[in-house]
Formats: sequence, C-alpha cells, structure tokens
Amino acid sequence: KAGVTQTPRYLIKTRGQQVTLSCSPISGHRSVSWYQQTPGQGLQFLFEYFSETQRNKGNFPGRFSGRQFSNSRSEMNVSTLELGDSALYLCASSKDFHTDTQYFGPGTRLTVL
Amino acid sequence: GENVEQHPSTLSVQEGDSAVIKCTYSDSASNYFPWYKQELGKRPQLIIDIRSNVGEKKDQRIAVTLNKTAKHFSLHITETQPEDSAVYFCAASKGYGGATNKLIFGTGTLLAVQP
Repeated sequence: KAGVTQTPRYLIKTRGQQVTLSCSPISGHRSVSWYQQTPGQGLQFLFEYFSETQRNKGNFPGRFSGRQFSNSRSEMNVSTLELGDSALYLCASSKDFHTDTQYFGPGTRLTVL
Repeated sequence: GENVEQHPSTLSVQEGDSAVIKCTYSDSASNYFPWYKQELGKRPQLIIDIRSNVGEKKDQRIAVTLNKTAKHFSLHITETQPEDSAVYFCAASKGYGGATNKLIFGTGTLLAVQP
C-alpha cells in the first residue's frame, strides 16, 4: 500500500499571504489528523477529521482551518501568514476514528518570509 | 491540561549499549502510547506502541513498558546500532476506543549511537 502523501513538499510564502496544503491518506484510511512541528514548540496537534467532519481542534488561531473530502483526502489552509507559521506541517492517517494507530506523511515545509 | 514530559532531551551511547527514554503523562484518561522515530528530514515513523491494558510490549531490540499508576512509560532499545541514531518522540492519546486520535507529544530525545 502506498503511504500517506502530502503536497507540496516545500513552500515559500510572504507574510499576509495564504496557503493550502494537501494530504492523501493511506488507501482505506478514513481519519486524518494534522500537526505542526517547530523546533521551539515541537509537535502540536492542529485538527482531526473523519467522514468529512472535524472531530477535534487544537489550540491554534482561526487563521488555521481545514476540511476533508468524501474520498478522505484532506486540506488545511492558513490565511494571513505570519513569520511564526514557518514550520513542518505533518498529516497522519488512521483506519477510522476508533483506530488509534496513526501513520505520518512526509510533511510540507512552509517558510514564511 | 494535557501534557507529556520526556527525558532526557539528548542521549549518547556506545554501539551495543542499551538506551532508555522515559515519559510521563498528565491525563489519566490516556490509553494509547506510541513511540515515533524521526530521522533528519524524514517523517516520524511508528516503531512501537502500547495500550493501557498491557504493561509491557517487545519487538526484537525495542521494548516499551507502561506504569499506569505512576503515569510513566518508557522506551528501551537494546544492542544499539548507529542506524538507531535519530530523534525519538513519545506520545499519549485517548485513541484506544475512539474518544479521539489526538496525540500529545513529548519534546523528543536526540539519540546518538557512537560507533
């Protein structure tokens, strides 16, 4: 089975712009979670989706949003980018909402200038 | 609030020695405890996990122990090899049974195995 894929792998944006990141889960997996990884804050939970519904949201401002499509693919959007949004954004998929094991994608490295 | 503390932050061992990384969680409702290995520039990879109804789990050179009373869990790597060098993250969640898959991560341990 192919693993979790994320596109694009690298992005460079300037302050004030917005960005959309995409995640395709492992085939047959219906739950997707997103995490932000930075040297200072480590790995922090952003949100999780199952069956096109956001089930849980982390402690991030409203500029961070996401959605999940009927094929389980997920996107996250960050609007009005700030320098502090520079990070590796990781998504993880699991079989369903009642399955704990999660597998991570390679991440999208976002740099905000 | 939900918190996972991880120690040590760096660990240097000689090839063939054992390495132990310890984590403490705060939320007593946590019931699933995975460990991830992240090599430089790569994705976190699940190496072993344990559920709250089990006290110990082993997979070849890797083992994890869980003490629910003390809210501690530990990763043990025996006969370390240079390819074990990476950052290791512990995590806790309430995912076993379906409350949420949200993972609360520790701050990571940089393990360096010296040849």
